[in-house]
Amino acid sequence: GQNIDQPTEMTATEGAIVQINCTYQTSGFNGLFWYQQHAGEAPTFLSYNVLDGLEEKGRFSSFLSRSKGYSYLLLKELQMKDSASYLCAVRDEWDSNYQLIWGAGTKLIIKP
Amino acid sequence: GAVVSQHPSRVICKSGTSVKIECRSLDFQATTMFWYRQFPKQSLMLMATSNEGSKATYEQGVEKDKFLINHASLTLSTLTVTSAHPEDSSFYICSARGRTGRTDTQYFGPGTRLTVL
Repeated sequence: GQNIDQPTEMTATEGAIVQINCTYQTSGFNGLFWYQQHAGEAPTFLSYNVLDGLEEKGRFSSFLSRSKGYSYLLLKELQMKDSASYLCAVRDEWDSNYQLIWGAGTKLIIKP
Repeated sequence: GAVVSQHPSRVICKSGTSVKIECRSLDFQATTMFWYRQFPKQSLMLMATSNEGSKATYEQGVEKDKFLINHASLTLSTLTVTSAHPEDSSFYICSARGRTGRTDTQYFGPGTRLTVL
């Protein structure tokens, strides 16, 4: 079956670094995506990984290990506005519509 | 680039009425659009996938006669909730398949909060 796991909730301090993990078991793999969703709003695209390794984009980085079925999102220099849910999603290789399989999301709480 | 609009942002209606939600890709053509619903503190739940000019593909458990989807053009898809009931109250979000650098991904509209009285 298709399964994506990520922690339900995490807490971190403003200015610190936090790593949100995601593990997946899917029938195929054609890329992993991270989205940010603030409460009451729609998700916004953050990053995409399809090859092993680290992709850096400003304060946010995303890592992928396909052999381990594992990814993480790393957020540096945390700001209060980073308080949001972070969704991990995988694109199944066989889906021509580019449907995404979604994790339940990790709610990140930033404390001053 | 890759902006998706959704209208209305919020709607309150009486039980038994029908509500239409529009989803538009503003600066790109979207051959595929997706409709999701999300209950408070829960994850996104895919309702259906629609391709321009063809019938939508509904996920298991989603009633196609209740949630009518029309994808008439490359920039517009509509979701009509027919004979809405209080249990249909939810946050409905559309997304459109668009290009970002190396790959296609989904870009989301701002969502529509539906409250059925």
